[in-house]
Amino acid sequence: NAGVMQNPRHLVRRRGQEARLRCSPMKGHSHVYWYRQLPEEGLKFMVYLQKENIIDESGMPKERFSAEFPKEGPSILRIQQVVRGDSAAYFCASSPGQNSHEQYFGPGTRLTVT
Amino acid sequence: KNEVEQSPQNLTAQEGEFITINCSYSVGISALHWLQQHPGGGIVSLFMLSSGKKKHGRLIATINIQEKHSSLHITASHPRDSAVYICAATDSWGKLQFGAGTQVVVTP
Repeated sequence: NAGVMQNPRHLVRRRGQEARLRCSPMKGHSHVYWYRQLPEEGLKFMVYLQKENIIDESGMPKERFSAEFPKEGPSILRIQQVVRGDSAAYFCASSPGQNSHEQYFGPGTRLTVT
Repeated sequence: KNEVEQSPQNLTAQEGEFITINCSYSVGISALHWLQQHPGGGIVSLFMLSSGKKKHGRLIATINIQEKHSSLHITASHPRDSAVYICAATDSWGKLQFGAGTQVVVTP
């Protein structure tokens, strides 16, 4: 059973470009969480999704950031018009849901904005 | 003020020593996680607990729900235990709120 997969592992974007980060949950998991770790800071919640639904996006910046988890395919975290302050490690975690709070983390995507 | 507080921030131990990391939380939780983050950055879930005590190898995690406090213990520490240890509280949706982490260095 493959673990949570994220790609790319490293992503370099120039200011103003778009960044797309992908997360494939573990097989059978229908819940995905995205977290961000800014340099020298702790992890912070961004968004919680179930298949085709955003459940809680209270940690997402109001502008330029969006997330989706379609019926088929990976969850996508999209950052439009990136700025230097978006440089961070972005982790996703998946959970089977159904009253389980187990979360399994992916390896993360390290975004660098130049 | 962070609703999940960890102490100490940094800890250095000699190989073989017993290590304790503490975590206090001020929110209602469904579960408490202990995570490990290695220098390469990957995160591994060590424990999830909602009551009592769990043990895995040399690692032991305890939680006291009434006192809103959890501890992670490492027995017979080894240099490969050097990492950042993070506690995280889970709300009813499963969303995690993280402590700032404890940087542990174990010297030979």
